[in-house]
Amino acid sequence: GAVVSQHPSWVICKSGTSVKIECRSLDFQATTMFWYRQFPKQSLMLMATSNEGSKATYEQGVEKDKFLINHASLTLSTLTVTSAHPEDSSFYICSARDLREVPDTQYFGPGTRLTVL
Amino acid sequence: GENVEQHPSTLSVQEGDSAVIKCTYSDSASNYFPWYKQELGKRPQLIIDIRSNVGEKKDQRIAVTLNKTAKHFSLHITETQPEDSAVYFCAASTTNAGKSTFGDGTTLTVKP
Repeated sequence: GAVVSQHPSWVICKSGTSVKIECRSLDFQATTMFWYRQFPKQSLMLMATSNEGSKATYEQGVEKDKFLINHASLTLSTLTVTSAHPEDSSFYICSARDLREVPDTQYFGPGTRLTVL
Repeated sequence: GENVEQHPSTLSVQEGDSAVIKCTYSDSASNYFPWYKQELGKRPQLIIDIRSNVGEKKDQRIAVTLNKTAKHFSLHITETQPEDSAVYFCAASTTNAGKSTFGDGTTLTVKP
């Protein structure tokens, strides 16, 4: 199957700083990527759909100015958590659709564990 | 929007027994139903999926059934092994929209 990577795998930052997380599709092009947030022992909560070359589509309740998404190329989407606070601490996972497959399957990155002190 | 309910939230079985996890969905437009396995601290891995034009699909010890009329689908694992222990998520989506709505997950424990 297709491979999706994420960087960094974990990050610890101070309150008020910004953190950028990268999501890359390594062996396929992804016009659409998804960003999820997962709390311990809970399900995946979709935050936004990242579209290459256009603005991201955010889910209800997700602050656009807080979670900046940039999908500048067909293999890279970035999520920037701005002015991070302890409540932003979570496991962030991206996924990418491989349009070569029918139905177009979502492949997940390994996740980034963010801890805000 | 789509709403997916998953049951049970936890499931414990003896090695060799079968495990069944059930999901219901609300949006009749949903036509693609994947199942993911997530081990602690790792990414969700697709284990099987089914489209709405198929009623059942099997892959070795894993099978999925879909009842489109009743809007429910189930994951069946036979001859369970300790390495099957993980959290399993069902999801529903429309292939054109792409985004999936996930169930809350089922923690499966297979006791040796």
